[in-house]
Amino acid sequence: DVKVTQSSRYLVKRTGEKVFLECVQDMDHENMFWYRQDPGLGLRLIYFSYDVKMKEKGDIPEGYSVSREKKERFSLILESASTNQTSMYLCASSFMRRGQAEAFFGQGTRLTVV
Amino acid sequence: DAKTTQPNSMESNEEEPVHLPCNHSTISGTDYIHWYRQLPSQGPEYVIHGLTSNVNNRMASLAIAEDRKSSTLILHRATLRDAAVYYCIPLYNQGGKLIFGQGTELSVKP
Repeated sequence: DVKVTQSSRYLVKRTGEKVFLECVQDMDHENMFWYRQDPGLGLRLIYFSYDVKMKEKGDIPEGYSVSREKKERFSLILESASTNQTSMYLCASSFMRRGQAEAFFGQGTRLTVV
Repeated sequence: DAKTTQPNSMESNEEEPVHLPCNHSTISGTDYIHWYRQLPSQGPEYVIHGLTSNVNNRMASLAIAEDRKSSTLILHRATLRDAAVYYCIPLYNQGGKLIFGQGTELSVKP
């Protein structure tokens, strides 16, 4: 069964803390993504990685960084958490084959910054 | 990235067909049109994709206009489980960077 696993379902952190959100996929997919989802704002792309050590900024990269040292793992880092980063974070991985991009999503991490 | 325009919301009755439109007038010749949906409290899931021809799979059909500036996702018989937000995403063939717009929130009435 296809699996994208995020390290935590719920997380509460303090303002100013460094926060790591981890995502692991077991499908050998080249592409991995981090999104955040907020009511009324939809699903917004933070960062995209198309290979190990390769990344592209999405629509809202400010305040975030990412790391992809191994193909199966994609980490999202909040260098100094702020209350406006309270959100649902979704990780995904996908393959791209003959024009088809089928992405699989993790269960999400609900992050609250207090 | 190609821009898309979808209705914010649509309603359907159970067991009736639903046609979800999407305008993507700035699409390039190498962009595949993908549709995803997001059920309540879940991550998005892939529905269907196509380039020029109409496509069918077990979930839905995709009708693509001849000029490729618009497409329509067709659910042949809507069920309550089809209530979701549906996203239309043009995607470059050699890329893979999925960017979700606002989508169409479909509600299905019994």
